Amino acid sequence: AQKVTQAQTEISVVEKEDVTLDCVYETRDTTYYLFWYKQPPSGELVFLIRRNSFDEQNEISGRYSWNFQKSTSSFNFTITASQVVDSAVYFCALRDSNYQLIWGAGTKLIIKP
Amino acid sequence: SAVISQKPSRDICQRGTSLTIQCQVDSQVTMMFWYRQQPGQSLTLIATANQGSEATYESGFVIDKFPISRPNLTFSTLTVSNMSPEDSSIYLCSVEMVNTEAFFGQGTRLTVV
Repeated sequence: AQKVTQAQTEISVVEKEDVTLDCVYETRDTTYYLFWYKQPPSGELVFLIRRNSFDEQNEISGRYSWNFQKSTSSFNFTITASQVVDSAVYFCALRDSNYQLIWGAGTKLIIKP
Repeated sequence: SAVISQKPSRDICQRGTSLTIQCQVDSQVTMMFWYRQQPGQSLTLIATANQGSEATYESGFVIDKFPISRPNLTFSTLTVSNMSPEDSSIYLCSVEMVNTEAFFGQGTRLTVV
């Protein structure tokens, strides 16, 4: 079955700490896409990254980095030197072969000043 | 990419009434998706709306409660019918294009009193 697990319901850290959000997925497909989205309190969904199953290169974008490990079916997201503006709910999602998105439960990240 | 305009952004409605949410895309897209996000929860797909055919509803969602129109390739509406407080949620429309991420409207925050 297709499934995305974000085991961390809520994480709270102090500003400037590094934080890693975990995402583990299950799929039978050999070709698939993984995504991370940010949902700030205002409610809109902000796209962060897309990764296809054939590209296992890790990616860094400013303070954000992603670690894709097919061997462990994980696609973890790290924020370095966190800031209060990073406070949001973060969703990991899997796009299956039917082009539907399977969403994780989300991780609420609280950055304290 | 795609820019999606969704309205209304929020509404407070009386139980037993209906609300129609509109979603306008700045480019032609084949598939449009409607999601519900209940408070503190992840996104749940309501239905997939393709132009020229009936919407395909996910388990637990029925056309009588959530009728959808898709008159052309840039526009769709979702109606929440005979509302009850349990329908209080954020409703989001989304489009996907080949080899891209999903694009989302700003969301409609619905409160039923």
